[in-house]
Amino acid sequence: EVRLLESGGGLVQPGGSLRLSCTASGFTFSISAMSWVRQSPGKGLEWISVISYSGANSYYADSVKGRFTVSRDNSKNTVYVQMNSLRGEDTAIYYCARDMELSSWGQGTLVTVSS
Amino acid sequence: DIQMTQSPSAMSASVGDRVIITCRASQGISNSLAWFQQKPGKVPKRLIYSSSNLQSGVPSRFSGSGSGTEFTLTISSLQPEDFATYYCLQHTSYPFTFGPGTKVDIK
Repeated sequence: EVRLLESGGGLVQPGGSLRLSCTASGFTFSISAMSWVRQSPGKGLEWISVISYSGANSYYADSVKGRFTVSRDNSKNTVYVQMNSLRGEDTAIYYCARDMELSSWGQGTLVTVSS
Repeated sequence: DIQMTQSPSAMSASVGDRVIITCRASQGISNSLAWFQQKPGKVPKRLIYSSSNLQSGVPSRFSGSGSGTEFTLTISSLQPEDFATYYCLQHTSYPFTFGPGTKVDIK
């Protein structure tokens, strides 16, 4: 069974930083691209990033480009998103998902950006 | 960036109704489209991939079709557990983009 578990969410002040983690099990992580999607309260889904299986390539939504960085550690079956210069509009539930087509999702972790 | 639109944005339907949701892309995306279902307070779940392929475990009353710029998700006979919000996603060109969603509620 595919399992994805996000962690690292919480309350952060505007301009602050946070690193989210997503640990995977139940599939061969090292050959799977991994994605991040977020959902602001009461809003729709927003795709924010994908990282290739090796970590050599990553792509971002315009809304986070230059502020967020995705990375992965295949030895730990974990993908990360480093979020810097956080803004109020980054407040959302952050989900990691398997591959580019988002075949399986984690439960999400809530990030709240507020003073 | 490719823009995705969905219609309708919301609809009311009855159990047993046939429901059709349309997703349109601002430029051609071949068949690189997926459909997701999200119930309130729950994690989104993929229903359809590559425009028309049913995700394992998803009931056969769900089907998808289309290619290029116009796609449809059809629920052949709406069941009580199908009341939810549905999103399409294009994954052919970065940045990938979701449609704004279609909320299906009870008439």
